[in-house]
Amino acid sequence: EVQLVESGGGLVKPGGSLRLSCAASGFTFSGHSMNWVRQAPGGGLEWVSYISSSTSYIYYADSVKGRFTISRDNAKNLLYLQMNSLRAEDSAVYYCARGYGSSWDNVDVWGQGTTVTVSS
Amino acid sequence: QPVLTQSSSASASLGSSVKLTCTLSNGHRSYIIAWHQQQPGKAPRYLMRLEGGGNFNKQSGVPDRFSGSTSGADRFLTISNVQSEDDANYYCETWDGYSRVFGGGTKLTVL
Repeated sequence: EVQLVESGGGLVKPGGSLRLSCAASGFTFSGHSMNWVRQAPGGGLEWVSYISSSTSYIYYADSVKGRFTISRDNAKNLLYLQMNSLRAEDSAVYYCARGYGSSWDNVDVWGQGTTVTVSS
Repeated sequence: QPVLTQSSSASASLGSSVKLTCTLSNGHRSYIIAWHQQQPGKAPRYLMRLEGGGNFNKQSGVPDRFSGSTSGADRFLTISNVQSEDDANYYCETWDGYSRVFGGGTKLTVL
């Protein structure tokens, strides 16, 4: 079964840091691009970051550029999101999402999400 | 960067049909989109990929009641014989090689 399981969410103070992880299973992780997508309480889906299958290409939404870093370990089937200088507006459920292919394509698998709350 | 526009809400009676619309911005009419469903309290679920020519490819397990179509810049998700479990938010998605964009979502209420 294809599965994505996020972890690492929690409560953090403004200006703090958090590292999210996503464990992939049931498919060839190294053959797919990966994304982080977030959803603020009561809001819609917002793309956060993209990484190609080989890590050659990385992109960020303007709202997180310079503060967040996406990475992956294809040997361990893990995706990461390092979040620094967190703000209240970063509070959201963060989803790990698989790309259909090795580069840009639609999301075709979603994780269950992990909740990040930024508050003093 | 493409922009996707969706109506904020729609409603359909049990057993009826409903057509949800996602409109691509000018200059992006040929873009491929995908439809995702998010039931209350759950993670999103990928439904289908829809090309500019109208071809659509559904995810395995998505009921036959769900179909896609295209007209110009509009991408449609049609749900036939609407069921109570179709009460959900529906998001369209596209990308341009530098960023990924989601529409604002349409909340479908099943009456």
